[in-house]
Amino acid sequence: DTGVSQDPRHKITKRGQNVTFRCDPISEHNRLYWYRQTLGQGPEFLTYFQNEAQLEKSRLLSDRFSAERPKGSFSTLEIQRTEQGDSAMYLCASSLPRGLAGTYEQYFGPGTRLTVT
Amino acid sequence: RKEVEQDPGPFNVPEGATVAFNCTYSNSASQSFFWYRQDCRKEPKLLMSVYSSGNEDGRFTAQLNRASQYISLLIRDSKLSDSATYLCVVKTGTGGFKTIFGAGTRLFVKA
Repeated sequence: DTGVSQDPRHKITKRGQNVTFRCDPISEHNRLYWYRQTLGQGPEFLTYFQNEAQLEKSRLLSDRFSAERPKGSFSTLEIQRTEQGDSAMYLCASSLPRGLAGTYEQYFGPGTRLTVT
Repeated sequence: RKEVEQDPGPFNVPEGATVAFNCTYSNSASQSFFWYRQDCRKEPKLLMSVYSSGNEDGRFTAQLNRASQYISLLIRDSKLSDSATYLCVVKTGTGGFKTIFGAGTRLFVKA
């Protein structure tokens, strides 16, 4: 499978614990995005990388959240001191710099579903 | 006001019906527009990009009206397999990286 992969697919953790998620983008894609999605809502943008550089970080991303993409390939998203409100699906997407007709199609991974108890 | 707004539905239609969804966006500097489809508990998947001149892909037609800042999706001859949530997506920012999703419109196609 040459699509975007995410690991783990599910994570259950107790409040206050730290969790880390991994995303492996499509190999030739240099752009990588993290989103959070809760029930009944569309994905909310969290952060964006171009190669290894984190170029944008949403105000939704509190200081407890950090993301890295050290070699410009896979990325990790860490949540420290998890809270019940962090329970959501965390989606990763990747894209080329420019798609057909100047658009920027993003391809999503299957997501990591986080439950904080 | 949300940056991207959609009617959440649900739209319940019989097989073979034609159904249309609209989406409005607030940022006039938005550059790129898409429709994504999301099945229950699955990741969003690109359905089609939306071009200024309008575009068609089989039973699906997308339109963009920049003056009124809305996007539409028309599905003709609905199939049971079209049942899903349809997400309107708008991109802004230098390089078009800032991506805003609507909350989605749910469609149920019934036999």
